[in-house]
Amino acid sequence: DAGVIQSPRHEVTEMGQEVTLRCKPISGHNSLFWYRQTMMRGLELLIYFNNNVPIDDSGMPEDRFSAKMPNASFSTLKIQPSEPRDSAVYFCASTRTDGNTIYFGEGSWLTVV
Amino acid sequence: AQSVAQPEDQVNVAEGNPLTVKCTYSVSGNPYLFWYVQYPNRGLQFLLKYITGDNLVKGSYGFEAEFNKSQTSFHLKKPSALVSDSALYFCAVREVNSGYSTLTFGKGTMLLVSP
Repeated sequence: DAGVIQSPRHEVTEMGQEVTLRCKPISGHNSLFWYRQTMMRGLELLIYFNNNVPIDDSGMPEDRFSAKMPNASFSTLKIQPSEPRDSAVYFCASTRTDGNTIYFGEGSWLTVV
Repeated sequence: AQSVAQPEDQVNVAEGNPLTVKCTYSVSGNPYLFWYVQYPNRGLQFLLKYITGDNLVKGSYGFEAEFNKSQTSFHLKKPSALVSDSALYFCAVREVNSGYSTLTFGKGTMLLVSP
């Protein structure tokens, strides 16, 4: 299995620009998560989808952040406009609803200058 | 609400010595417990989990963890540390029958194994 696939792996962008991060979950997994990791706050859950439907988006920091899951094999996390404080590693993860182990992608390393 | 505490930001151990990385949890009901490891510039990798049954769980790379319900702990252990074990370790919890699959993670403990 290819695992959770994220793109881009690294992105450097200027403040105010739109950033789109992409994720392909493991085939057969119907739960998908976006996490953000920073030195200051550690690992934070941003949003959780089940069967393509957002279940909990209480972790999304503000309206500049949005996430979609148009089908079972693809999700995006968008930041518009981006700010320097958004610089972090963004992880996508997936699992089966009845499963217990969540599998993580390699992360998208975002730097906003 | 569920929560995890990893009381040590960093653990230092010499190669060949036993290591312990501590974790305590809080859930309303019964827990599912997990350990993940993160190597530099990589994603989180699953190490082991406790779901039910034997309180001593064995996982990848020679790691094991012991579930202690009375102390609400799930400490990660390894009998003999390797330099290559140096990484960031996360403990995580999910409440059984919570209806959701989300895990709550601790802040992580950096393990440094010296040669």
